[in-house]
Amino acid sequence: ELKVEQNPLFLSMQEGKNYTIYCNYSTTSDRLYWYRQDPGKSLESLFVLLSNGAVKQEGRLMASLDTKARLSTLHITAAVHDLSATYFCAVDDVKSGGYQLIWGAGTKLIIKP
Amino acid sequence: KAGVTQTPRYLIKTRGQQVTLSCSPISGHRSVSWYQQTPGQGLQFLFEYFSETQRNKGNFPGRFSGRQFSNSRSEMNVSTLELGDSALYLCASSGGQGSSSYEQYFGPGTRLTVT
Repeated sequence: ELKVEQNPLFLSMQEGKNYTIYCNYSTTSDRLYWYRQDPGKSLESLFVLLSNGAVKQEGRLMASLDTKARLSTLHITAAVHDLSATYFCAVDDVKSGGYQLIWGAGTKLIIKP
Repeated sequence: KAGVTQTPRYLIKTRGQQVTLSCSPISGHRSVSWYQQTPGQGLQFLFEYFSETQRNKGNFPGRFSGRQFSNSRSEMNVSTLELGDSALYLCASSGGQGSSSYEQYFGPGTRLTVT
């Protein structure tokens, strides 16, 4: 059974600092996703990582994937208050076609001015 | 292009009743997935439909069912509601072209409260 673990689950940091959220998963998978969720809102897609060594960047966020270590990271550079949200990673557990995302518990990120 | 829409946005039901939630995917998308989000269990996969066929299914009891129509719109039904079914139900569509083909785009969700 595929399991996805995120850490930390809660992160409070100052603006301008750098930090990394880790996402470990238990079995091989072809796809790893990062999403953002604001309170009371739906999920916003940040990145889809499809291959070993994949790295994607958008603004102050950068995600990477190491399929051998079964590890993905979401790195935040020079954090700003607007990045405060809950961040989820999800791994696709599909054996043959389609989608079946298994989710981490989420990392609640609070960035203090 | 319009995003994923879900109706209704909020719903209050009583234990034992049944409920039907609706999801309209992004135009051209043929895959629709459903997820349940609760504070205790987090996000959990319910099922995925593609071309009117259930392609994948999560570990939920048979009270949870769904279907997809020929226009890709999907409905999910929960029968004999329990208090524990109170949750945010999210629908996602996928099936774009090129680099976005693996993206799952989420709707705003339906907040179900069971009393």
